[in-house]
Amino acid sequence: DAGVTQSPTHLIKTRGQQVTLRCSPKSGHDTVSWYQQALGQGPQFIFQYYEEEERQRGNFPDRFSGHQFPNYSSELNVNALLLGDSALYLCASSLKEDRFRPPSPLHFGNGTRLTVT
Amino acid sequence: DAKTTQPPSMDCAEGRAANLPCNHSTISGNEYVYWYRQIHSQGPQYIIHGLKNNETNEMASLIITEDRKSSTLILPHATLRDTAVYYCIVRFMDSNYQLIWGAGTKLIIKP
Repeated sequence: DAGVTQSPTHLIKTRGQQVTLRCSPKSGHDTVSWYQQALGQGPQFIFQYYEEEERQRGNFPDRFSGHQFPNYSSELNVNALLLGDSALYLCASSLKEDRFRPPSPLHFGNGTRLTVT
Repeated sequence: DAKTTQPPSMDCAEGRAANLPCNHSTISGNEYVYWYRQIHSQGPQYIIHGLKNNETNEMASLIITEDRKSSTLILPHATLRDTAVYYCIVRFMDSNYQLIWGAGTKLIIKP
């Protein structure tokens, strides 16, 4: 049973460029969330996708956008890269939440390490 | 701001129980306590969660105080592979993925 897979594992980009990161959720999961993790800090929520729509969004600018495909996989796009965008980008998958049961635990991939120079 | 408070670091001897505390004094009645850990260069890994009662699984035990304002994660027989950053998070029962993560506790297991 494949877990969450992310690609690429590492990426180096120049300021002003654009980047696309990819995520395949764990088998059976339909919801994908993206997080940004700076060195030495906890993950910060970027946004969540379910049924191919952005459902919730954290405090990130519009330069960060995403997409979810019919097979539940997802992409994170970042435009006009800044040095401060250098971080580990994590994808997490889960089941759609149901108010009658505890929130489904998130399953994380190992992330994409983005370096902006 | 994170809704939980954890010590920045802890040490534990291999084979002993590791007890990791977490304060969540503003927790509401429908918020669960979740624990994750992150081993270097990997994504966070789910450990355990609870609402009111103590919970145990194959990885750990979770003890929640009666007033729910704090909890303790217990790794009963710590091994070197348990060295990681441990995150305590509170999470609403209904749809809310905006988890607020603090900096966690860096647990170092020493031989």
